[in-house]
Amino acid sequence: DTGVSQDPRHKITKRGQNVTFRCDPISEHNRLYWYRQTLGQGPEFLTYFQNEAQLEKSRLLSDRFSAERPKGSFSTLEIQRTEQGDSAMYLCASSLSQMNTEAFFGQGTRLTVV
Amino acid sequence: AQSVTQLGSHVSVSEGALVLLRCNYSSSVPPYLFWYVQYPNQGLQLLLKYTSAATLVKGINGFEAEFKKSETSFHLTKPSAHMSDAAEYFCAVSAKNNDMRFGAGTRLTVKP
Repeated sequence: DTGVSQDPRHKITKRGQNVTFRCDPISEHNRLYWYRQTLGQGPEFLTYFQNEAQLEKSRLLSDRFSAERPKGSFSTLEIQRTEQGDSAMYLCASSLSQMNTEAFFGQGTRLTVV
Repeated sequence: AQSVTQLGSHVSVSEGALVLLRCNYSSSVPPYLFWYVQYPNQGLQLLLKYTSAATLVKGINGFEAEFKKSETSFHLTKPSAHMSDAAEYFCAVSAKNNDMRFGAGTRLTVKP
């Protein structure tokens, strides 16, 4: 297994367009997380899944953001009607469900909204 | 809810000097604590984790951290800095639901 992979690595889009990112977690990991990171800040929690169930979503997350994990494997994060403030690095991580296990991160998708 | 605060957004040390990066946590339940490192244009990599066993935790690249419940701290140290240690360091906490929350990060600069 090569770890958590994210696609694409970079995305430039015009304001108002929709974008979708994909994350493939480590195969045996049943938890999957999405974070957003802006320059000079730590990763900000967006949402996480246990298998296919979305267990928590940040209250700060706009309704324009939606995430799915239909078969409990890969996940997609969609942003509708993008705004310049959505420009950030979007990080995906996965872990086992035991409480003391660490999350393994992908290299992220850098979104630039112009 | 749990959270972490990292004191000092930038730390600069000379090569060979002690590295001390500070992290204080807040959690209503016994926490699990983590330090991650992020090199430029790379993902986050785990340095070490505290999971309620030994309070002094050793990690990769010579780093270690000590869990101090009385001070609600989990500071990261390394006795002798190396140029390759220059990176962004993040402290993180998770509680029973395994929802991991990160601090704002500390950028470490190592001067020759």
